[in-house]
Amino acid sequence: DQQVKQNSPSLSVQEGRISILNCDYTNSMFDYFLWYKKYPAEGPTFLISISSIKDKNEDGRFTVFLNKSAKHLSLHIVPSQPGDSAVYFCAASATRGNEKLTFGTGTRLTIIP
Amino acid sequence: EAGVVQSPRYKIIEKKQPVAFWCNPISGHNTLYWYLQNLGQGPELLIRYENEEAVDDSQLPKDRFSAERLKGVDSTLKIQPAELGDSAVYLCASSLRQGVGTQYFGPGTRLLVL
Repeated sequence: DQQVKQNSPSLSVQEGRISILNCDYTNSMFDYFLWYKKYPAEGPTFLISISSIKDKNEDGRFTVFLNKSAKHLSLHIVPSQPGDSAVYFCAASATRGNEKLTFGTGTRLTIIP
Repeated sequence: EAGVVQSPRYKIIEKKQPVAFWCNPISGHNTLYWYLQNLGQGPELLIRYENEEAVDDSQLPKDRFSAERLKGVDSTLKIQPAELGDSAVYLCASSLRQGVGTQYFGPGTRLLVL
């Protein structure tokens, strides 16, 4: 049972344009969401997070949107840069008690120069 | 500040052999996690430590996997005996204290069981 789903295994975007990565979840107990970025042969690196009390969080070129009613979140990167090419993982957690992060399967983003 | 350190980076063993992975978390981080990442999948939690106590090991296959964090700092994850299906990347992460927030990951150990 995949509780966090990233339905797009890959995405290609022109440099300078907006990249939009999507994530859906099924567990209504999830109330904290994170995006991690992973380069080959490296561990995942924390990018941005959002609590369920918010619907938007912004950090520089990265913005995460949360739609609780749809159980959907998205990561927007604008403008996209070649260094953004990586695998992006969405992760979720229920802060009440269990601190476990549940990850999606990842989306490979390729920025085309 | 040094990040999470893991060794070895790569390990190739034959099935039924034992193998051990080592992790040194970021200094001062009380919470340590071991994750398993299969090809094409996201990381899955195996075990979480608060200091030296394993507070969540529900996903650890205890028949062949064991872990320890004796002094509440570095940790070892062991598989004995290894099976073909154990081929994966084993990631260690740490965070400052219990509570969801930033988990910092090490580079992982890529295990290949032949």
